[in-house]
Amino acid sequence: NAGVTQTPKFQVLKTGQSMTLQCAQDMNHEYMSWYRQDPGMGLRLIHYSVGAGITDQGEVPNGYNVSRSTTEDFPLRLLSAAPSQTSVYFCASRTGQGGNSPLHFGNGTRLTVT
Amino acid sequence: AQSVTQLGSHVSVSEGALVLLRCNYSSSVPPYLFWYVQYPNQGLQLLLKYTSAATLVKGINGFEAEFKKSETSFHLTKPSAHMSDAAEYFCAVSDPRAGGGNKLTFGTGTQLKVEL
Repeated sequence: NAGVTQTPKFQVLKTGQSMTLQCAQDMNHEYMSWYRQDPGMGLRLIHYSVGAGITDQGEVPNGYNVSRSTTEDFPLRLLSAAPSQTSVYFCASRTGQGGNSPLHFGNGTRLTVT
Repeated sequence: AQSVTQLGSHVSVSEGALVLLRCNYSSSVPPYLFWYVQYPNQGLQLLLKYTSAATLVKGINGFEAEFKKSETSFHLTKPSAHMSDAAEYFCAVSDPRAGGGNKLTFGTGTQLKVEL
């Protein structure tokens, strides 16, 4: 069972470069989300989606774009990377039946912006 | 808005000792509460969740948590620590009202160290 798959595992960018973090899930989950994890700050929600074609902002959306064209995929785009975006990024999904369903996490992408 | 506070960013216990990780929440309505565990270089995994069915919730690996409304707490416990319990633990809260569950808010985490 693949679950939630994130690629790449590691990435180094220079300031101003753009890139897309990929996330795919094979559980037919309606809800998908992106978090960033920084030391001492826990996980903070960037963007989320409750279904194909529907996205919304989380707590820290600035500098990130998302789209959801299929149920399976939820890519996160950095249009112009900044050192403040150095972080570990996690994609997570759950069934769309309410907030009491647990999140299923990918193994993360470690991004360094120099 | 919901929030959680985890007291103690680092907790150290001896193998076989009681594990107690503290979590206090702030919410205008009875929330959904979760504990997740993160092992090195991995994503988070659900340990247990509270969704108003029972105040004492049992999870995986012998962990349990008790929802105490009067204390706005959801502390995580395990009677006897094992070396394999060493990991980072996160408490999380969401609003059970329509749409509120789309934004799960995490605490800052507690790193558990288990010593021989």
